[in-house]
Formats: sequence, C-alpha cells, structure tokens
Amino acid sequence: GEDVEQSLFLSVREGDSSVINCTYTDSSSTYLYWYKQEPGAGLQLLTYIFSNMDMKQDQRLTVLLNKKDKHLSLRIADTQTGDSAIYFCAENNQGGKLIFGQGTELSVKP
Amino acid sequence: EAGVAQSPRYKIIEKRQSVAFWCNPISGHATLYWYQQILGQGPKLLIQFQNNGVVDDSQLPKDRFSAERLKGVDSTLKIQPAKLEDSAVYLCASNGLGVEQYFGPGTRLTVT
Repeated sequence: GEDVEQSLFLSVREGDSSVINCTYTDSSSTYLYWYKQEPGAGLQLLTYIFSNMDMKQDQRLTVLLNKKDKHLSLRIADTQTGDSAIYFCAENNQGGKLIFGQGTELSVKP
Repeated sequence: EAGVAQSPRYKIIEKRQSVAFWCNPISGHATLYWYQQILGQGPKLLIQFQNNGVVDDSQLPKDRFSAERLKGVDSTLKIQPAKLEDSAVYLCASNGLGVEQYFGPGTRLTVT
C-alpha cells in the first residue's frame, strides 16, 4: 500500500541545522518531494529527488535518500525564523499523483 | 510565469448547500489535480485530469463531488450537497512535461 509517515513537530534554535525525517512504503515511487506550507498558503515545492539518487543539495537544503530503508530526510542548514512552517514529504505513484505525509511543523526559536 | 490561480480563497456555507471552486493551471500544463487537505493532515488527491480527460477519480466521493475540465484548461470542482466533514482546504495543482507539481493558494471551505 501507499503510506508516508513523518514526525509531527521539530523545534530548533536559529542558526542550527534542522533535520526532518520521512518514511514511505511504495518502493516503485520514482520521485520523492519536499514541500513547505506557511500558514494560510498553498504548498511551495522546495526540492525533489529521483529514486536512484542518494543525495541532492540545493543551497541550504540537503536531501538524503536511503532507498533500502525507504527513508528520506531534509536537512536545512543555518535555520532561520523564516523557515518556520509545515514541511510535507511526498512520493509519487506511477500515475503522477502525490501521496503526502501528515506534515512536520518546524518551529525556529530566536 | 503566472502560478496556479484559484478562487474563491475562502467560502463559508451551511450544510446541504452547494459550492463550486475554480482553478486555472499554469499555462501549457496538461495535467491538473484537485486535492483535499483537512486540518492537520497532508493533502489527499480527489481527481486528476490529463487535458480534459479523467485519469484518476478513485478517491472522489461521487455521490456529492463532481469536477470538470471541459476545454482542457481551467477546472471546476463542485460539492452538492455539502456536509460538515467537507470543511477543508481544496488545493489545485498542475504539471507540464516535468516532474514538478505546482500548487495554487487553495480555497478554504467552512461548512456550518
């Protein structure tokens, strides 16, 4: 079946690194995504990784994929108060629809 | 490039009333999705269109929800009659030839 799990909350200090974790079940997923949602807003695509890659880096964001364990993580370096939001992990199925986790609320304290 | 447009942004209705949401995808994007996001949860797909044809509507409650994309561009999602549990944010997304799926700002529906 299709299921994506995330921890619900993460609190960090400004300037620290944040690591948000996600596990998924569908081994046939070809792409895995990270989206950011600020209060009252839609979902902003942050980054995505192809399933045959182990790592992808994009400025302050690093995505790590362990396909054997079906584990995905998003590391945000030098976390800022503007990074406070809900972060969603998603996998795509063969047809293109996204299966989302329940979201991780990141709180950044000054 | 303009993003995915949705209207209205907010809607409050009483149960058993009808409501319609509109979405205009990014220009040239053939695939359009409607997702339902209940408070505290991730979005869940309701229906997926490829041009004006339905690809996946397996999670759409067809007794009360309907959607159309007649000319393969903009789309309308309708709920008739609404129930209290339909209170949610309705998100429209689109993608073109790439794998990136872009979301609109959503319509927040409150059913009282």
